[in-house]
Amino acid sequence: QLRLQESGPGLVKPSETLSLICSVSGGSIGSGSYYWGWIRQSPGKGLQWIGNMHYTGAAYYNPSLKSRVTISLDTSKSQFSLNLTVATAADTGLYYCARLTVIPAAHFDFWGQGALVAVSS
Amino acid sequence: QSLLTQPPSVSGAPGQRVTISCTGGSSNFGAGYDVHWHQQLPETAPKLLIYDNNNRPSGVPDRFSGSRSGTSASLAISGLQAEDEGTYYCQSYDSGLGGVIFGGGTRLSVL
Repeated sequence: QLRLQESGPGLVKPSETLSLICSVSGGSIGSGSYYWGWIRQSPGKGLQWIGNMHYTGAAYYNPSLKSRVTISLDTSKSQFSLNLTVATAADTGLYYCARLTVIPAAHFDFWGQGALVAVSS
Repeated sequence: QSLLTQPPSVSGAPGQRVTISCTGGSSNFGAGYDVHWHQQLPETAPKLLIYDNNNRPSGVPDRFSGSRSGTSASLAISGLQAEDEGTYYCQSYDSGLGGVIFGGGTRLSVL
């Protein structure tokens, strides 16, 4: 069974970079048609897609975050990461990593447990 | 504002059937993109409940079913149980955004 687990600092200062890592076990991130993505949930709010990446390098980001977001994959470690620059209080929330299946239709089929990140001085 | 619109809340008594609607537009459902549903129980991560309009992943009871028609979709839950309480999100792809979209979520209460 595929498992995903987020890790990273729980507190980030405003204007700094929010960085998270997702460790994947039970499957390979370096093969197949799957993308690897991030979704966030602000306190008491719904889900927002951040972006996703394929091991070939193809990446897609939410236009509202695109200027600040980078997702990268390290297939040797079976990990992928999220970097969100110039963090503000509006970036506070739960961050989930997930696998995106695109055949035949794009949907997240495996989710991590989530990592809580607060942006505060 | 979400490109997929869901009612904020629905409720039902144990054993009853409830439906949750999800309304999209011409750049998602209207363009032929499928609907998927995720269940988020209290204090837990979302979990895939229905994919490709009406398919259940292994382990999901057949009390849960989905459908899509035109620019609308719905999730039906029959034989409502207390453990079904949580928030349900529809999800699709939007060609205008160029990525994945979620509905705002519907909180299900079992009375």
